Amino acid sequence: NAGVTQTPKFQVLKTGQSMTLQCAQDMNHEYMSWYRQDPGMGLRLIHYSVGAGITDQGEVPNGYNVSRSTTEDFPLRLLSAAPSQTSVYFCASSTTGVSPLHFGNGTRLTVT
Amino acid sequence: DQQVKQNSPSLSVQEGRISILNCDYTNSMFDYFLWYKKYPAEGPTFLISISSIKDKNEDGRFTVFLNKSAKHLSLHIVPSQPGDSAVYFCAAAGGTSYGKLTFGQGTILTVHP
Repeated sequence: NAGVTQTPKFQVLKTGQSMTLQCAQDMNHEYMSWYRQDPGMGLRLIHYSVGAGITDQGEVPNGYNVSRSTTEDFPLRLLSAAPSQTSVYFCASSTTGVSPLHFGNGTRLTVT
Repeated sequence: DQQVKQNSPSLSVQEGRISILNCDYTNSMFDYFLWYKKYPAEGPTFLISISSIKDKNEDGRFTVFLNKSAKHLSLHIVPSQPGDSAVYFCAAAGGTSYGKLTFGQGTILTVHP
């Protein structure tokens, strides 16, 4: 049972480049979300989805896009990377909105 | 505006003693609270939760206390073990979407043998 799988584990981008962070879960969870972790800031919600075809913004959505075409996958797109997006990104899922989140192991992104 | 605050960046405890991690919140709509534990290079893992209808929840060595009037919660670990050394995040939610969590900044717990 893989749980929540994030790829890649590490990525270095130049300013202005675009990329997609992948997230997949095999637990048939309806709820999925993306957080970023920065020193002294805890984890902040970027975008979330309550089911396939439904997404919504979290606390820090600017510069990121998401889509949810299947229950299993919830990719996060950086349209034009900026140094301020240097962070560790975590994808998470849960059965519904009222159960604890299961997190992936994160993607460490550096934008130079 | 930090709605969930963990004011102690770090805590150092001797093995076998009690560890007490604290968390304060400002949003009175929060009615469900969770603690997560995070090891380096791993994602956070769920530890224990409490809803606002209770003031205490126990799970083995871990107990969470909630003081609604003070908007304060704490996690007690007794006895502390070296394997408990990690970053601990408290998180809060309210309304119908408990997956939309608001996290504190985290506290680094070090348990010395």
